[in-house]
Order: sequence, then structure tokens, then C-alpha cells
Amino acid sequence: IQLTQSPSSLSASVGDRVTITCRASQGIDKYLAWFQQKPGKAPKLLIYGASTLQSGVPSRFSGSGSGTEFTLTISSLQPEDFATYYCQHLKNYPLTFGGGTRVEIK
Amino acid sequence: EVQLVESGGNLVQPGGSLRLSCAASGFTFSDHYMDWVRQAPGKGLEWVARSRDKPHSYSTEHAASVQGRFTISRDDSQDTLYLQMTSLETEDTAVYYCARGFCSGGTCYSGDSWGQGTLVTVSS
Repeated sequence: IQLTQSPSSLSASVGDRVTITCRASQGIDKYLAWFQQKPGKAPKLLIYGASTLQSGVPSRFSGSGSGTEFTLTISSLQPEDFATYYCQHLKNYPLTFGGGTRVEIK
Repeated sequence: EVQLVESGGNLVQPGGSLRLSCAASGFTFSDHYMDWVRQAPGKGLEWVARSRDKPHSYSTEHAASVQGRFTISRDDSQDTLYLQMTSLETEDTAVYYCARGFCSGGTCYSGDSWGQGTLVTVSS
């Protein structure tokens, strides 16, 4: 199963609403997770089950979708949100990641 | 506090071998699936391997890119995850992370906790 993220990068300002899309090459039900990674750091789990917010993650992050199309939304971008975001499917093996979306400061 | 600490990364020649370790603490290691995930310099994340827990007979899965060369294993008595890597190729150069898995809603997810990573460099 291939995961295609779009866009591959975006520039946004603090306070903007940001949406990242992850498309699966075949249906994966809701078996999708989203991660945030900052330079030189390990990834951090944001959302699993396509829409369940991981404990401790701010509520400005939300996920939606099922089947083949999924979105990660940041409702009001904060300075600490500038990072790269990855989706990962858990439908079957191998557990592939999307190519990543880099969110940069405008 | 959950902690995962990787070690064993090093510079190794093509064709060589290396064993990575991931020492876990702060949780019941035997209750969790565990994954290895890698990231080549400047590239994205790549899932490498998974070890299931004791109720699932410690069964394993490996990515096609490492199948037959890498082997994931675990020692629950030592709360440690391993990745034995053989026949290393330059394309295996990456930071290797161990990640704790958890199960919810019919599947088991990666990475509610991660180590800091260990760098493997394959070069002559």
C-alpha cells in the first residue's frame, strides 16, 4: 500500500488553518496514524485511528477520513507546529509511511 | 516515565554486520509490540521491522528491503529489543529508531513512544 501526501511542503503564517492530505493506494479503513517530526528529533504520535487524538496533543490538531483519503488539520498554526508531518498506515504489512509534508514559516 | 534508549550504531563497511539494541524502561515491555523505524539522511521515515508480544508468540514482520538480512528479536527478561543487521549496504545508512507499539480498534499502531535514535553509517 502506497501513501501519497500532499502538498510535499507548504508555507503558512502563525494563526493559519493548515490541511495536509494523505491518500492510500487502496482502502485502509481507519488504520492511519499521523506523526510530527522536528529536525534532529524522533517523531511524535499525534493521531491514530485516523481521528483519535493522542493523549497530550493539543486540540488544534485533528484528523479525519477513512478508506483511501485522510486529512490532518491544524486549526490555528502555532510557532511550535513548524515541522514535518508523516502519515503511516497500519492495514497490513509493510507498514508504510507517506513521503512527508514540511510546514514552513511564511 | 517511558524510556527507550538505542545503542550499537557505528560506521561499518558494506557487507558487514551490526547489532542494535533498544533498552526499555518505565513500562511493562512484554505487553507491547515493538518496531524499528529508520530515516536515511535528509529522507523520510521507513518502517523496518516489528516484534509482536508474548501472547502473539513473539512473531515478527520485516520490510521487503531488509528481509533475509535483518532480524528483529527481543529479550523480555532484559526489557531489550534488538535488530541484527547483516550484509549491510550503503542504502542502509540511516538513523534507526525503536518505537513502542500499542493496540487499539483492531490494529496495532507504532510509536506512542520513541527512542532518540542511533546512527548507522555503511561506507567503505
